[in-house]
Amino acid sequence: NAGVMQNPRHLVRRRGQEARLRCSPMKGHSHVYWYRQLPEEGLKFMVYLQKENIIDESGMPKERFSAEFPKEGPSILRIQQVVRGDSAAYFCASSPRTSSSYEQYFGPGTRLTVT
Amino acid sequence: AQSVTQLGSHVSVSEGALVLLRCNYSSSVPPYLFWYVQYPNQGLQLLLKYLSGSTLVKGINGFEAEFNKSQTSFHLRKPSVHISDTAEYFCAVSDDDASGGSYIPTFGRGTSLIVHP
Repeated sequence: NAGVMQNPRHLVRRRGQEARLRCSPMKGHSHVYWYRQLPEEGLKFMVYLQKENIIDESGMPKERFSAEFPKEGPSILRIQQVVRGDSAAYFCASSPRTSSSYEQYFGPGTRLTVT
Repeated sequence: AQSVTQLGSHVSVSEGALVLLRCNYSSSVPPYLFWYVQYPNQGLQLLLKYLSGSTLVKGINGFEAEFNKSQTSFHLRKPSVHISDTAEYFCAVSDDDASGGSYIPTFGRGTSLIVHP
């Protein structure tokens, strides 16, 4: 049973370009979470999605960031017009149920570098 | 809203030593509590979790944690660490289902554990 897949693992973008990060949850998981990790700052929640629905986007910046989880295919985190401050590791996690008691299963992350 | 405090951002110990990583949370009701480990260039993986019942929870790789309601703590320990335990450790808290709170866990800032020979 494959774990959570993320690609690309490393992404380099110039300022002003778009970054697209993909996440395929574990088989049978319909809940996806995106987090951003900066050095010495731990994980910051960005958005929680179920298939075709955004459930909680309270951690998403209001501009340039968007996320989707279509009926078919991976979840996508999209960052438009990237700036240097967007450089970070972005992690996707999935879980099988809507319940706080279920742990999250994390992907290996995408490390975005903006030059 | 939940908050999680991990005291000590860096801990360095010798192989074979006892290690204690501290985690305190703020909550008016007992939450669900988790410890995750992150090895270099990898995602987080679950070490152990507390939902209810026995306050001493045993996890993978010889780690254990104890839930202390009065001190609102969930410290992680291992009696004898190995070099391979060198990693980042995160404590996380979420509201229990009955409280109607968010399903989104709150993570601490992490503690970097270095085990040297």
